[in-house]
Amino acid sequence: EPEVTQTPSHQVTQMGQEVILRCVPISNHLYFYWYRQILGQKVEFLVSFYNNEISEKSEIFDDQFSVERPDGSNFTLKIRSTKLEDSAMYFCASSPPGARNQPQHFGDGTRLSIL
Amino acid sequence: GQQVMQIPQYQHVQEGEDFTTYCNSSTTLSNIQWYKQRPGGHPVFLIQLVKSGEVKKQKRLTFQFGEAKKNSSLHITATQTTDVGTYFCAGWAGANNLFFGTGTRLTVIP
Repeated sequence: EPEVTQTPSHQVTQMGQEVILRCVPISNHLYFYWYRQILGQKVEFLVSFYNNEISEKSEIFDDQFSVERPDGSNFTLKIRSTKLEDSAMYFCASSPPGARNQPQHFGDGTRLSIL
Repeated sequence: GQQVMQIPQYQHVQEGEDFTTYCNSSTTLSNIQWYKQRPGGHPVFLIQLVKSGEVKKQKRLTFQFGEAKKNSSLHITATQTTDVGTYFCAGWAGANNLFFGTGTRLTVIP
């Protein structure tokens, strides 16, 4: 069964540095998402992406964050000037063509640790 | 803003006992989805409910969507150790994003 893949599985970065989290969505999917989950808490929506542009973003997704689909397969989340509170699990998800509100397929996540 | 609350936050049950988690939204939802997240894992889609009052079953799991489309429940009959994890409801309210509930963490004691 096709999967969403994320790399790296764990990223350790010094505060103030930039990080890029990478995702390869399922190949025929058209809607892409990033979520954040602080340890032990709920899954928080960051941003949705469709047709090469951001569809919606949450209050968390400020100027520090950006997303990009640089080619036909990768979907990246860049966090500039990381802060301690950016430490969390970051999940990428995708959903198939058709209605937007379809079930989402999640990757295994990238655990981001800011020191 | 939109809020989706779940109760209880934690639930410990003996293996074989039943379990129910309740999901309440501050706004009417166009549909609701349920996800399960095993410890250390990622959310995995379980089911989607669309119609008011809809009830769906998956083996020992029963899902219900409220008449007003603002609440939902998940009931597990005769829990097993494989049911351990956090159960999240997640709703669409017309926006372009899925809004997750606060989750219920289920522990099953063998």
